[in-house]
Amino acid sequence: SAVISQKPSRDICQRGTSLTIQCQVDSQVTMMFWYRQQPGQSLTLIATANQGSEATYESGFVIDKFPISRPNLTFSTLTVSNMSPEDSSIYLCSGIAGGPGDTQYFGPGTRLTVL
Amino acid sequence: GEDVEQSLFLSVREGDSSVINCTYTDSSSTYLYWYKQEPGAGLQLLTYIFSNMDMKQDQRLTVLLNKKDKHLSLRIADTQTGDSAIYFCAERGPDSSYKLIFGSGTRLLVRP
Repeated sequence: SAVISQKPSRDICQRGTSLTIQCQVDSQVTMMFWYRQQPGQSLTLIATANQGSEATYESGFVIDKFPISRPNLTFSTLTVSNMSPEDSSIYLCSGIAGGPGDTQYFGPGTRLTVL
Repeated sequence: GEDVEQSLFLSVREGDSSVINCTYTDSSSTYLYWYKQEPGAGLQLLTYIFSNMDMKQDQRLTVLLNKKDKHLSLRIADTQTGDSAIYFCAERGPDSSYKLIFGSGTRLLVRP
């Protein structure tokens, strides 16, 4: 299994600003992902964070709005840029540590409120 | 296309069994997962089942998979108040992306 931590756990931000969320895994993971969970909704995949190269974005998400870095196998960041109230969500990172089921473990999430 | 559906709400009495249902559309899904989300928390992996299995049991949890009907269920025996949470099913497709498609989540309320 993998233990995943995120910083910050929550933040309140002004529109037009940017926030960078950090994700740290306690062991090497093969793949890392970033998800968004809008209020009362399910999880939607934003992108796959690739080590040392550009992230792979899902339809509806773009690098200019959600730049992602993954400098090594245990750390990734997601930036929410030029925020608007519609960006208010929980942002979760996840990782696959290998083993049976290719199970994906999730961090506790970052609760973002944009005023 | 990929779509995963769940009923939104389930209420049971403490000590009873809970059954949470999920339907999916991608017949080529390789793994299906159940996650639990408590208020203000992230997702906790409960269990998973490989698509060539029809049942998996893990302590109080039983997963049933009907691949013909693309139906997945999670049964929680002797439900406790601590089981109150949102339960998400998720499917993983056959490609190498490993991405998960989540259902809308079922909110389970356990009454004392």
